[in-house]
Amino acid sequence: NAGVTQTPKFQVLKTGQSMTLQCAQDMNHNSMYWYRQDPGMGLRLIYYSASEGTTDKGEVPNGYNVSRLNKREFSLRLESAAPSQTSVYFCASRYSGGTYEQYFGPGTRLTVT
Amino acid sequence: AQSVAQPEDQVNVAEGNPLTVKCTYSVSGNPYLFWYVQYPNRGLQFLLKYITGDNLVKGSYGFEAEFNKSQTSFHLKKPSALVSDSALYFCAVRDMEQAGTALIFGKGTTLSVSS
Repeated sequence: NAGVTQTPKFQVLKTGQSMTLQCAQDMNHNSMYWYRQDPGMGLRLIYYSASEGTTDKGEVPNGYNVSRLNKREFSLRLESAAPSQTSVYFCASRYSGGTYEQYFGPGTRLTVT
Repeated sequence: AQSVAQPEDQVNVAEGNPLTVKCTYSVSGNPYLFWYVQYPNRGLQFLLKYITGDNLVKGSYGFEAEFNKSQTSFHLKKPSALVSDSALYFCAVRDMEQAGTALIFGKGTTLSVSS
């Protein structure tokens, strides 16, 4: 089991460029999440998908879109990157029948110049 | 509003000494509480959780946490710290107000264990 995988590991964008962060899990989990981590602010929820075919906004969704491509994959898209989106992005997943702990990928470190 | 507070940005402890990383929470209803650890340039790793039952919860790597309902706290503890325990620790609580059961995280506490 690879668990939760994320690509790319690092990315540098110029303001206004777009990109998609990829996430996949092989644990047959129903729910998937995107968080961003900023120094001194912990992790904040961007979007989540409770099950295949559904997505919902979290605490900080502005500037992002998501796609739950299938049960395994949940992508995060930045349509027009801004310096304020410089952050580390984590994908996580959870088995809906479980007790709510989430399992995290290794993260994508994004810099927007 | 629901929240998690980690009052210490950094905790310093000598190897072999006991350690405590503090966490308090505010949620409606019975809390589901979690601790995660993050090593440099890595993702978060699940350490332990409290759902119900015994107030003292044991987890990975010798860590334990004590749930105190009256003080709304869930402090992480270890009887004897190791240098390898040095990392960033996050307390989290299940979001009871939003569907999808996301987690609300504290801001994190950096644990530094000196040899």
